[in-house]
Order: sequence, then C-alpha cells, then structure tokens
Amino acid sequence: EDQVTQSPEALRLQEGESSSLNCSYTVSGLRGLFWYRQDPGKGPEFLFTLYSAGEEKEKERLKATLTKKESFLHITAPKPEDSATYLCAVRRRGAQKLVFGQGTRLTINP
Amino acid sequence: ETGVTQTPRHLVMGMTNKKSLKCEQHLGHNAMYWYKQSAKKPLELMFVYNFKEQTENNSVPSRFSPECPNSSHLFLHLHTLQPEDSALYLCASSQEGGSTGAEAFFGQGTRLTVV
Repeated sequence: EDQVTQSPEALRLQEGESSSLNCSYTVSGLRGLFWYRQDPGKGPEFLFTLYSAGEEKEKERLKATLTKKESFLHITAPKPEDSATYLCAVRRRGAQKLVFGQGTRLTINP
Repeated sequence: ETGVTQTPRHLVMGMTNKKSLKCEQHLGHNAMYWYKQSAKKPLELMFVYNFKEQTENNSVPSRFSPECPNSSHLFLHLHTLQPEDSALYLCASSQEGGSTGAEAFFGQGTRLTVV
C-alpha cells in the first residue's frame, strides 16, 4: 500500500530562518510526487511536481528535491506570508489517485 | 472564472436533508475528482471521473452520489448524511493521457456541517 509520512507535524520559525520539511514515501512505481500549499479554509494550491530521483524544482523561496525514498521542501529566508500547511502527495504509475500525507503546519513569526 | 470553482463554500444540513455540491473546471481537463478532508486526517479520494465516466469509487457509502454530466462539471449529491460526514469536500481536475503533468488542481472546497 502506498504511504506518505510528513515531518514535522508543525514547525514555527522566525522570519528569515531557513529550514526544511520532510516527506517520506513508499509507492510501487512512482508517477509523480507533488507538493501543495493549503491556507486555512481553502483548497490545496499546487506548487511542484517531481518525477524522478535527483530532480529539483524552485519557486521563489521554495525548493523541492527528490530521492528514491523522500522529498524535502526547503524554505529559504521565509516571510510571514509563507505560513500555511504544506502537503505532500504521491501518485503511482497507472493510477490517478493521489495519496496524501498529514501535512506540515508552518508558522513564520515576524 | 478560472481554475476550479466550487459552490457553495459553506453548507449546513440536517441528517434528513438532501443537498448537492457543484464543481466546475475551466482548465480544459479530462478528469475530475472528489476528495474529502476531515480534521486530523489526510485528504482521501472519493471518486474519479474520466471523460464523464466514473472509473473509481473508493468504497464511498451510497449516501454520497456523484454525477458528471460533462467533462467540465461535477456534482456530489448528498442524502441522509451522518454528523461524522462533516468535512471539507474538495473537487479537483487533471489532464490525463500525457507523459508529463499528472498534477491535480483543486477548488476552494465546500465546508459541510451535518447537524
């Protein structure tokens, strides 16, 4: 069975303090690994797709990386507006279902 | 309108009521989904539709009845729900059949409260 585990559950940082969020996964044949951002009471907003180990994607202060067992979302010099829950999901080859982790709730204090 | 639009944003219903959630995607995608997000639990897939045909039902109780009249619209009909069905219901769409992509785009969700 495909599984996704995210850590930590919650992370509180000071503005400008860089850190990383972890997503560990097991899947039988990876089609893609996805990162989303979700603000309270809203739907997930797509950030990145990673397809194979070694791949990296960047967007503003966020950088996502992928190995065969885990993905990291690195946040550099975060700002308060980066506060949100970050969700990781995997999709198996030949399937359309996204399997999500519990998410990491990130709070950036000014 | 752009992206994936869901209505209503909030819904309170009694256990004997019948209501419907609506979703419309403006992305030209060929697949649509219903996901459920309960407190303290990961998002879980409910239904998958490809080109208007239901291709996956993730063991969802029959009190949830989906309908997909065309590839841009998706409904979730609700009847005789239980309080534990209270959750955020999310609609998503994706473009299937290519070698890249595969990401799903989500609407803002309907916050459902069953009283």
